[in-house]
Amino acid sequence: SQTIHQWPATLVQPVGSPLSLECTVEGTSNPNLYWYRQAAGRGLQLLFYSVGIGQISSEVPQNLSASRPQDRQFILSSKKLLLSDSGFYLCAWRTGTVTSYNSPLHFGNGTRLTVT
Amino acid sequence: GENVEQHPSTLSVQEGDSAVIKCTYSDSASNYFPWYKQELGKGPQLIIDIRSNVGEKKDQRIAVTLNKTAKHFSLHITETQPEDSAVYFCAASRRGTYKYIFGTGTRLKVLA
Repeated sequence: SQTIHQWPATLVQPVGSPLSLECTVEGTSNPNLYWYRQAAGRGLQLLFYSVGIGQISSEVPQNLSASRPQDRQFILSSKKLLLSDSGFYLCAWRTGTVTSYNSPLHFGNGTRLTVT
Repeated sequence: GENVEQHPSTLSVQEGDSAVIKCTYSDSASNYFPWYKQELGKGPQLIIDIRSNVGEKKDQRIAVTLNKTAKHFSLHITETQPEDSAVYFCAASRRGTYKYIFGTGTRLKVLA
């Protein structure tokens, strides 16, 4: 069966420090990978999307970047964190197989980032 | 642009009662509608989904109905239990896109 791992679970970082959040998926090949952010009590904001190694689509211009160095690894980064980067970051995957209907997204358990 | 409206934002029910959450989508090409349950401090978990070729789908105490003409779909939870308390999100998506348009969430509280 497929599993998705995110780490760390929680992170407290000072303003101006770098960030690296990692996500890996097991049990599937060529997944589509996503990064979402969820502000406290709010909905899900899509940040980045990837269909393959080195292929990243950005949804919202901001202080963050994403990379996909391996098929099942997705990394969210920042060179200098802002207070507004605080939030709950979720990685998700879906099958890369194209069918008549989209397949479900499967989320990890997220990273709670607090920028102080 | 595409939009999914979700109501209500909060819902309190007595244990054993039913709960209904409704979503309306704007993109008439949407053909896949998943529902997610998010418990505190965790990621959203898929609980049920429906494709546009059916009008209703059930899984034990959970059911989803879809009205393509009106462009709305609903989550029905029967015989609610305290462990059903969570935030529920609906979403809509269409074939060939990477986007899933999420509703703003419903906080369900089941009172014992």
